[in-house]
Parts: sequence; C-alpha cells; structure tokens
Amino acid sequence: GAVVSQHPSRVICKSGTSVKIECRSLDFQATTMFWYRQFPKKSLMLMATSNEGSKATYEQGVEKDKFLINHASLTLSTLTVTSAHPEDSSFYICSAKRTSGKMETQYFGPGTRLLVL
Amino acid sequence: GQNIDQPTEMTATEGAIVQINCTYQTSGFNGLFWYQQHAGEAPTFLSYNVLDGLEEKGRFSSFLSRSKGYSYLLLKELQMKDSASYLCAVMDSNYQLIWGAGTKLIIKP
Repeated sequence: GAVVSQHPSRVICKSGTSVKIECRSLDFQATTMFWYRQFPKKSLMLMATSNEGSKATYEQGVEKDKFLINHASLTLSTLTVTSAHPEDSSFYICSAKRTSGKMETQYFGPGTRLLVL
Repeated sequence: GQNIDQPTEMTATEGAIVQINCTYQTSGFNGLFWYQQHAGEAPTFLSYNVLDGLEEKGRFSSFLSRSKGYSYLLLKELQMKDSASYLCAVMDSNYQLIWGAGTKLIIKP
C-alpha cells in the first residue's frame, strides 16, 4: 500500500535554531500534502496545506514565517521550524493525498517528535 | 514489517450499530488511536487505548486486546453525520505512529 515517510523521526535542538522536517510519499505522487501538529490531548491540528509548485496555504493562527513549507517535488514536502522555541516542542505529522480516479485518500506519516531545549 | 489492517469501506443504517475492526502488527506498542475524518477536514481524535478492555464515550466505544493485536470502534445510534472515514493508528516502541488506510463509513437513511 501507499507509504509516507518522515525524517527525522525525532530531533532535539537548542532554542533559536531551525529544524527541517521532510515528508516523502514513497510510492505515489502527491500534489497535495498536509502538515499537522499533535497536541497532548491527541487532537491533530492542521497547520498548512502544501501544494506542489505553489505557496502553501496556512491555517488561521499559524505563522507562515515561522513554519516554512516547501513542496518542491511531487514526492517531497519540507517543514522548517525557524528560530524554534520550547513551545514549538510537539509531534509533527504530515500526510499526502493520493488521487485515483474520483477517489481521494490521505496517507499519514509516522510523525516527527521535536524537542526544543 | 509493521502493518495496520482495517476494512476499506462499510455501510450501515441510521439508528443502527456498527463495529469497525482494526488489527495490527507493530514493533512494540504504546497505544492505539481512533480518529474520525470528514472529507476535506483534519482528523478528529476519538479515543486512545493503551490497556486491554473497553472505553466508552457516549455513542462511541473503543476496545483493545493487546494479545490479539486487535481493536474495534463501536458506533451506536448512528447518525447521518457519522458518515466519515475512521482511522486506526498505533504508536510503536519508538513512539512513531503507524496508520491504517482508514475505513470509509457510509450511513444510509
């Protein structure tokens, strides 16, 4: 079946540094990818929709200059957390949308655990 | 390898009960999640099971058997708004989420 990978799986960084997270669709092309943040109550918050070859669409309240998204190819989207602070520590999950005929399916990655010290 | 299996699609009648099964094979286990996702929206958290047994939350219940690698989501008194995809996800020993492909639930009047 379809597989979406994320790298790294976990990262620890110092406050003020930037961290890049990669999301790859391994066996299908995805023109649309999504970035989520998982909160302690397990809910997933959609941060942004990443569209290949164009600018990402950010949800209300998400700082686009802080969370940089680049969808440079049909199989790769990156999320860069710039000038990370401890409150950015979280579990970041990406997903990729696969379209087959009229059917759309969203496949989720394993997540990246970010800890900012 | 790691694997999560759940049915691709299920159909049920408004007012009835439906059970969505999820079986998993993962390297380690740190809990199982159920999410509901309506088309075009972000998944909504429904439940989290880490111990065996049944967890009830209103019309929704979730069951876990770790020895069998099995969980189910039970939806009672189905409403039309319950038509959605239901995602099963397991957190493995590395605290990574392994996702099922989702079960599309169609509710008929």
